[in-house]
Amino acid sequence: GAVVSQHPSWVICKSGTSVKIECRSLDFQATTMFWYRQFPKQSLMLMATSNEGSKATYEQGVEKDKFLINHASLTLSTLTVTSAHPEDSSFYICSATRDFTDTQYFGPGTRLTVL
Amino acid sequence: AQSVTQLDSQVPVFEEAPVELRCNYSSSVSVYLFWYVQYPNQGLQLLLKYLSGSTLVKGINGFEAEFNKSQTSFHLRKPSVHISDTAEYFCAVSSQDTNAGKSTFGDGTTLTVKP
Repeated sequence: GAVVSQHPSWVICKSGTSVKIECRSLDFQATTMFWYRQFPKQSLMLMATSNEGSKATYEQGVEKDKFLINHASLTLSTLTVTSAHPEDSSFYICSATRDFTDTQYFGPGTRLTVL
Repeated sequence: AQSVTQLDSQVPVFEEAPVELRCNYSSSVSVYLFWYVQYPNQGLQLLLKYLSGSTLVKGINGFEAEFNKSQTSFHLRKPSVHISDTAEYFCAVSSQDTNAGKSTFGDGTTLTVKP
């Protein structure tokens, strides 16, 4: 149990286009989802915390107009990278928790390459 | 606020040898502690977690970790490693007074098991 999926697993896009990444909890209801960014050979950097039905809370330094997060249901959160540029190329990972004291269940990640 | 320091960025070890990956943390409040493993181009998989109770925590794949509150450490150990244990390992901490899923990650330790 507690499986999280991400789609797509990888995406290549042109500079200036927008890309949407989906994060789904397949067998549980996720009250909270987290979005992380990971650069090569580096740790995970928390971008934002997303609660179902409310606006996401962004970490300091993360542009909320650049990285749009929607948590429309208890099983789906989306991250849209708007007007993507090469510096947005990264590995994006989501995670989900069932309740306040639960641990995170991670998705497999999405590799974004912006040309 | 909390922070995590993984004391070794790279740990090379021969197959069947024991290994210890070190993790220290700092926090002004009580914490939850986690170890995750990440294989190339994949998301994170939970190895083990400490929430409360016994300070010796056993996880998957033969790993265990011991919570030492006085030394603010949570070192990961395995008595005999396999080639398949080669991966990136992350220590993470969450505050007990916030969402347990909101974790701060260490910079990671690359474990390389040699034949």
